[in-house]
Amino acid sequence: GAVVSQHPSWVICKSGTSVKIECRSLDFQATTMFWYRQFPKQSLMLMATSNEGSKATYEQGVEKDKFLINHASLTLSTLTVTSAHPEDSSFYICSASQQGYEQYFGPGTRLTVT
Amino acid sequence: LAKTTQPISMDSYEGQEVNITCSHNNIATNDYITWYQQFPSQGPRFIIQGYKTKVTNEVASLFIPADRKSSTLSLPRVSLSDTAVYYCLVGDDSSASKIIFGSGTRLSIRP
Repeated sequence: GAVVSQHPSWVICKSGTSVKIECRSLDFQATTMFWYRQFPKQSLMLMATSNEGSKATYEQGVEKDKFLINHASLTLSTLTVTSAHPEDSSFYICSASQQGYEQYFGPGTRLTVT
Repeated sequence: LAKTTQPISMDSYEGQEVNITCSHNNIATNDYITWYQQFPSQGPRFIIQGYKTKVTNEVASLFIPADRKSSTLSLPRVSLSDTAVYYCLVGDDSSASKIIFGSGTRLSIRP
């Protein structure tokens, strides 16, 4: 079956630094990838949609200059949290899909900003 | 995107059948109904998807009435490991459109 991986699975960084999270589709080419954020006891919140080779589309209220998304290939998308602050601490989940197929979710990345 | 409404939480016991109902009054003609399961600190996992009537797989059944304004996820003989959050989602599956998650149903299974 389709597998999506994320790296790292957890990361701790200091306030003011940047951290990059990778999302890979391991056995299929993903034309579209999505990034979500989830706070404890809450539902997933869609942050942005990225299509390979084009700029990401951000949801309302998500700062595109703070959450940089790059979808450089059909198997890799990256989310960079720039100048991270404690309020950015969250669980970040990506999903990937082929055109016309269901979304497959990654295992998530736990970000803690100290 | 059709909005969905589910119970916030449900409790049941091992061995019981659990039915979680989702309302989606504004479902569009091209929309499919999909259910995901999420364990703590993990990404959502696809359970089942349907368009109308009944769909069954090795994990669950999905019942969809003729008007498609609601759907029911049925988990037969649950176990402790079925304790999770279950999300009902409605959307056009034909073009990998974005998924907007609702609040989900937190299912707790007791011994």
